[in-house]
Amino acid sequence: QITLKESGPTLVKPTQTLTLTCTLSEFSLSTSGMGVGWIRQPPGKAPEWLALIYWDDDKRYSPSLKSRLTITTDTSKNQVVLRMTNMDPVDTATYYCARTHYYDSSGYPFDYWGQGTLVTVSS
Amino acid sequence: QSALTQPASVSGSPGQSITISCTGTTSDIGVYDYVSWYRQHPDKAPKLMVYDVSNRPSGVSNRFSGSKSGNTASLTISGLQAEDEADYYCSSYTGSSTLVFGTGTKVTVL
Repeated sequence: QITLKESGPTLVKPTQTLTLTCTLSEFSLSTSGMGVGWIRQPPGKAPEWLALIYWDDDKRYSPSLKSRLTITTDTSKNQVVLRMTNMDPVDTATYYCARTHYYDSSGYPFDYWGQGTLVTVSS
Repeated sequence: QSALTQPASVSGSPGQSITISCTGTTSDIGVYDYVSWYRQHPDKAPKLMVYDVSNRPSGVSNRFSGSKSGNTASLTISGLQAEDEADYYCSSYTGSSTLVFGTGTKVTVL
């Protein structure tokens, strides 16, 4: 069954860089059309889209966070990695990775989601 | 980009139909048929219920239907059930090749 699982630190200090890994199961980002995105959700608030990477290494970023974000893949490990620099307490949120498929829709609908990982930014 | 606007709450009795609106702009909902709707139960990940305005993913009940008019998209839930009590979020592709989510609507089943 298709699953995604986020991993990374649960606590980071202000100004540090956050690195999150999304491990994919039963599908591969190498498959034509496949895409994986990152979405975060502060406690009690709406989700916020962060970034997306497609099978062909096409990358998209939220304009407001683009300068702080980097999305990459490790195809040998079937993983997608998100780096966010200069973390701040307002970045405290549950971070999700999720799958989309370009040939089903190029409008970024995410049909499979990871369970999410809560990242707290505090000194 | 600004978040799409949703009503904070909508309620209905079991068996009734409710509609949730999602208002955007001419840069997102108004020009793209790429609106999605998600249902989120407490402490769970969002679940895709509708995509591309009115398409349902495999396995999603036909009680969920989507539509769009101008800059506003809507999700209708018919035959309201207890399991439908949750937060609902819309999202839309935008002209900047990005994605914007809605503010969220809490659905209460009375």
